Amino acid sequence: LAKTTQPISMDSYEGQEVNITCSHNNIATNDYITWYQQFPSQGPRFIIQGYKTKVTNEVASLFIPADRKSSTLSLPRVSLSDTAVYYCLVGDRRRGNTPLVFGKGTRLSVIA
Amino acid sequence: DVKVTQSSRYLVKRTGEKVFLECVQDMDHENMFWYRQDPGLGLRLIYFSYDVKMKEKGDIPEGYSVSREKKERFSLILESASTNQTSMYLCASSPRRDGELFFGEGSRLTVL
Repeated sequence: LAKTTQPISMDSYEGQEVNITCSHNNIATNDYITWYQQFPSQGPRFIIQGYKTKVTNEVASLFIPADRKSSTLSLPRVSLSDTAVYYCLVGDRRRGNTPLVFGKGTRLSVIA
Repeated sequence: DVKVTQSSRYLVKRTGEKVFLECVQDMDHENMFWYRQDPGLGLRLIYFSYDVKMKEKGDIPEGYSVSREKKERFSLILESASTNQTSMYLCASSPRRDGELFFGEGSRLTVL
């Protein structure tokens, strides 16, 4: 499984756009990229998933460059309620026998 | 909405006790997972199951066992609890092996 590297923590002010980058240098051709969000005292929840270029939903955008060795989760105009830990996971849809591995994530703190 | 229910939010047990952590999902998912989460270590996979009566070891199975007698229920068992098993335990289910994970709220276990 491809190993991912994320910053341990980030701070942001309310209303700003936050970009969290995940490095996955040894991503394989069939790997896809998934991000989860975890609030304190709760289990993680799925945010967004992509394979290449850009994916956008009501919560976030995911930018994946052509070489796919990194990806960036973009949260527009964060609020205090976006304070959470964000996990980047990389896995192969075809190799469904092995569950995705969670790393240590990025702790985002949004400040008023 | 998918509902993953963990039987206890908080438990306090003594060293050597047998501990059962129960997890039930209501969406007929075939795939279920147990993770533990510790500060600075992220989520680590203990066991998973892709079908009734089927189980696979994750990254840290030592000291744990599981039971999957019914599709909707996946139990984590600590045969003889130890203090180093004090942790937050998270159960998840998924409709596909590589699909989105739906987590419960977690069970915080303290072993004295």
